[in-house]
Amino acid sequence: AQSVTQPDIHITVSEGASLELRCNYSYGATPYLFWYVQSPGQGLQLLLKYFSGDTLVQGIKGFEAEFKRSQSSFNLRKPSVHWSDAAEYFCAVRGRSQGNLIFGKGTKLSVKP
Amino acid sequence: DADVTQTPRNRITKTGKRIMLECSQTKGHDRMYWYRQDPGLGLRLIYYSFDVKDINKGEISDGYSVSRQAQAKFSLSLESAIPNQTALYFCATSVGSGLAGSDTQYFGPGTRLTVL
Repeated sequence: AQSVTQPDIHITVSEGASLELRCNYSYGATPYLFWYVQSPGQGLQLLLKYFSGDTLVQGIKGFEAEFKRSQSSFNLRKPSVHWSDAAEYFCAVRGRSQGNLIFGKGTKLSVKP
Repeated sequence: DADVTQTPRNRITKTGKRIMLECSQTKGHDRMYWYRQDPGLGLRLIYYSFDVKDINKGEISDGYSVSRQAQAKFSLSLESAIPNQTALYFCATSVGSGLAGSDTQYFGPGTRLTVL
């Protein structure tokens, strides 16, 4: 079955520290991959996406993600976290011949001063 | 102005009532989607529509119905609301570029629905 796993429900990091949010997927073939962010009380904003080509993709707000086919992973990273990054982050996949997104359950990020 | 709008933004209703949530978009996209979000469960797809004449059930369509009145409008109805339909509901759109297209979804701000 197709699925997305975000192993960490809640992560707390200090402001200025580096961040890595994990995402693993189970899919029959290489899907399209996405990271979305949801700030408190807000809708979902697309951070970045991977379709093909370079496995390291750059997104908005200084985020990047690396697609690793061998590990079925698409982890999100940021070298230095800002207090405004506190939000919930969702990894999602979509099949190359389908229109529907499958979401992970999300990782809530808290940032300590 | 926002590209994807949802009305109402908040709604409290009672068990058994019929309620409609509306979504409008100015992005000119063909595809529209309805999701619900529950704490700890992420987003789950309720219904989706690839064009005005195409409506498809998603993962959790029971208890819901939809109407695609125009390319820009996609409504979600709860015919007889029940408390476990209390959730945050999101509409999304995508341009739609064929089966092999690399389609990105853009989300509205959400509607918080409470069923008492």
